[in-house]
Amino acid sequence: KAGVTQTPRYLIKTRGQQVTLSCSPISGHRSVSWYQQTPGQGLQFLFEYFSETQRNKGNFPGRFSGRQFSNSRSEMNVSTLELGDSALYLCASSLAGHQPQHFGDGTRLSIL
Amino acid sequence: AQKVTQAQTEISVVEKEDVTLDCVYETRDTTYYLFWYKQPPSGELVFLIRRNSFDEQNEISGRYSWNFQKSTSSFNFTITASQVVDSAVYFCALKQGGSEKLVFGKGTKLTVNP
Repeated sequence: KAGVTQTPRYLIKTRGQQVTLSCSPISGHRSVSWYQQTPGQGLQFLFEYFSETQRNKGNFPGRFSGRQFSNSRSEMNVSTLELGDSALYLCASSLAGHQPQHFGDGTRLSIL
Repeated sequence: AQKVTQAQTEISVVEKEDVTLDCVYETRDTTYYLFWYKQPPSGELVFLIRRNSFDEQNEISGRYSWNFQKSTSSFNFTITASQVVDSAVYFCALKQGGSEKLVFGKGTKLTVNP
């Protein structure tokens, strides 16, 4: 069974640009969550989607947005990139409820 | 508010030593779930174990064991006879019932030296 797939693995952008990250969940998983990991703040929850609806959102500015498609694939978008957005962005999928989340390898975003 | 504290920032042991990673959590919910994840240098988070708030039964799985105590709000993780391949950052995480949001601790970096 294929795991969670995130693309691209690495991205380099400059301040002010925007970026879109993609996540394909494990087959059958309808819940997709996104997390940001930085050395200073650790792992922080961005948002969670289930059946194309955002159910939970973390404490991030509106520049961070996401969506989920009917096949459960998800994208997150960051607009007007700032230096502080440099991080590892992790996507996780689950069957929801009490089931564990399974993570992808992440997209490492560097802002110059 | 929910909070997870991993007081140990870094631990270094010699191969074959036992090592315990501490995790203390805070929540006002009666239904919640606790997890341990491992993050090797490659970056992906690997799920290790889940416990719900109603199941205090501790478990041993191979070289891994877990000690969940609601009375002290602790969910500790022990590796017996550590190996070099166990070197990674270990995260404890908390999820309240009805939400998919995971609240992570800061992680404990474990280095197992040959």
